[in-house]
Amino acid sequence: ELKVEQNPLFLSMQEGKNYTIYCNYSTTSDRLYWYRQDPGKSLESLFVLLSNGAVKQEGRLMASLDTKARLSTLHITAAVHDLSATYFCAVDRAGNQFYFGTGTSLTVIP
Amino acid sequence: AAGVIQSPRHLIKEKRETATLKCYPIPRHDTVYWYQQGPGQDPQFLISFYEKMQSDKGSIPDRFSAQQFSDYHSELNMSSLELGDSALYFCASSEGPRSYEQYFGPGTRLTVT
Repeated sequence: ELKVEQNPLFLSMQEGKNYTIYCNYSTTSDRLYWYRQDPGKSLESLFVLLSNGAVKQEGRLMASLDTKARLSTLHITAAVHDLSATYFCAVDRAGNQFYFGTGTSLTVIP
Repeated sequence: AAGVIQSPRHLIKEKRETATLKCYPIPRHDTVYWYQQGPGQDPQFLISFYEKMQSDKGSIPDRFSAQQFSDYHSELNMSSLELGDSALYFCASSEGPRSYEQYFGPGTRLTVT
């Protein structure tokens, strides 16, 4: 069974600081995704990483993928309060169901 | 742009009752996925359909069933509801089962009392 782990599970950081969320998965996967979820809301797609070495950036967020290490990172630069949310990584295999990570609850403190 | 539509958005049921959740995919999307997200948990895959046929099955209880209709909308039927079924139920759609992007709907919050 494919397992996806994230760390940390909870992250409290001050505005303006940088931090990285890690996503490890247990077996070979085709693709890796990052989603954002606000409390009680749906999942908002942030990044889709399709190959080893892929790096994507949007605003203060940057995601990367190392398929050999089975590791993806989500780097937050100069955090702002609006980034407070839960972040999930997910992987799929053979293009079907998603396996989600445990989620990282991020709180940015002014 | 059109998004995935789910109805109802909120549903309250009592134990042992039945519930039906509906999902309308994005136009031209032929693949639908159902996920269950318990409080404070990550979404768990339940089942998916491609071209009206079940394409993959996850941790869906036997009390639940689902189908996809000719217009590609899908319904998740839940019977003999239990307190533990209280969760957010998401539907996602994609353009084909190998598509690299699933678009999630707003979710249906089911509360079982």
